[in-house]
Amino acid sequence: KNQVEQSPQSLIILEGKNCTLQCNYTVSPFSNLRWYKQDTGRGPVSLTIMTFSENTKSNGRYTATLDADTKQSSLHITASQLSDSASYICVVSEPHAGNNRKLIWGLGTSLAVNP
Amino acid sequence: EAGVTQFPSHSVIEKGQTVTLRCDPISGHDNLYWYRRVMGKEIKFLLHFVKESKQDESGMPNNRFLAERTGGTYSTLKVQPAELEDSGVYFCASSQAPYGYTFGSGTRLTVV
Repeated sequence: KNQVEQSPQSLIILEGKNCTLQCNYTVSPFSNLRWYKQDTGRGPVSLTIMTFSENTKSNGRYTATLDADTKQSSLHITASQLSDSASYICVVSEPHAGNNRKLIWGLGTSLAVNP
Repeated sequence: EAGVTQFPSHSVIEKGQTVTLRCDPISGHDNLYWYRRVMGKEIKFLLHFVKESKQDESGMPNNRFLAERTGGTYSTLKVQPAELEDSGVYFCASSQAPYGYTFGSGTRLTVV
């Protein structure tokens, strides 16, 4: 069982609508939780990074929340655009020692925004 | 500033052949990471360089995989001999700050 579970697996919405993606994790303790956007054929790009003490972080139309007690995070996308079509991946970083960090990745949610 | 560059972008090789993937990190980034995504699975850590030294190679699947980082600049990941299960997308990332990972576009490796 993966330590980072995401839902839904895929999602189709109409342009202009909002959506929320979910992430449940079992990694404990953890250093930070990140949301990445990955366009087809491209590498992942960071959207938000939250430490365990943060509850919410926004980046434009993207807002991530974190509940460290229930080990849940969500990514809310407001007023979706066609360019939001991508895979959104939840990633949990293990605590580090020096420069050594490892990221534990979810499978991602594939979002399609249709006109 | 140039990003993380990986090449080739795609590689198709026969089982038993050798393939070498290259990653050019952002200039000045001491940390370089290799990750791999096998179809249907999550991205997984392979190894981490700090300059030219291997900091953590616990994610390397087996001894058919060899990573090097000459002079602490670019890195290569060689698979010899390649097996069918090695197919996937290999990502490289570099960072200097604690959180500032920048990923390359990946190399899609297909072993037939």
